[in-house]
Amino acid sequence: EAQVTQNPRYLITVTGKKLTVTCSQNMNHEYMSWYRQDPGLGLRQIYYSMNVEVTDKGDVPEGYKVSRKEKRNFPLILESPSPNQTSLYFCATKRGPGSDTQYFGPGTRLTVL
Amino acid sequence: AQKVTQAQTEISVVEKEDVTLDCVYETRDTTYYLFWYKQPPSGELVFLIRRNSFDEQNEISGRYSWNFQKSTSSFNFTITASQVVDSAVYFCALSEAWEDSSYKLIFGSGTRLLVRP
Repeated sequence: EAQVTQNPRYLITVTGKKLTVTCSQNMNHEYMSWYRQDPGLGLRQIYYSMNVEVTDKGDVPEGYKVSRKEKRNFPLILESPSPNQTSLYFCATKRGPGSDTQYFGPGTRLTVL
Repeated sequence: AQKVTQAQTEISVVEKEDVTLDCVYETRDTTYYLFWYKQPPSGELVFLIRRNSFDEQNEISGRYSWNFQKSTSSFNFTITASQVVDSAVYFCALSEAWEDSSYKLIFGSGTRLLVRP
């Protein structure tokens, strides 16, 4: 079954404590991306990756890091989380450039105290 | 600049009513793609439809239909005979075709639909 998985699904943490949210896909898609969802703002892209070792900033990259060492995994790293990073995070994948549809993981709800 | 506007923040209807969710977009690209996603209370994002800018035919899928009008830059979504299970947040999104932009979906702010029994 084609899947995008995220872990953890829920996380409560404190300011400054480094954390990683993992994303994994089994569809052999080249493209992966991270979005955050905030009330009244819809979803906004944080970072994306076009393939292994190729990443670029989206619209709201400040405070986040990513890496793409393998095709299937695209972790999101918060080196020093702050309360304004409290949000619902989604990983997305699609086959490649152009018209392909993006498919989303189940979401990770992060609260930073 | 690309932009998607969903002016209706929240809509409440009674079951079996028809309801239309509005979506207006802005783009300078002549080739682009429009999407609708559903986010039920469980939180996941469910893909509903993709439409490319060259195909203005309306689409119907069961109780769902989509009206794409390039002349008004709109891509509206209608649910006929709404049901309680349709209660969700619905997002309209835009993706441009040229390579550097095709990796990003521009989302509207979403419309929360509440269908009351």
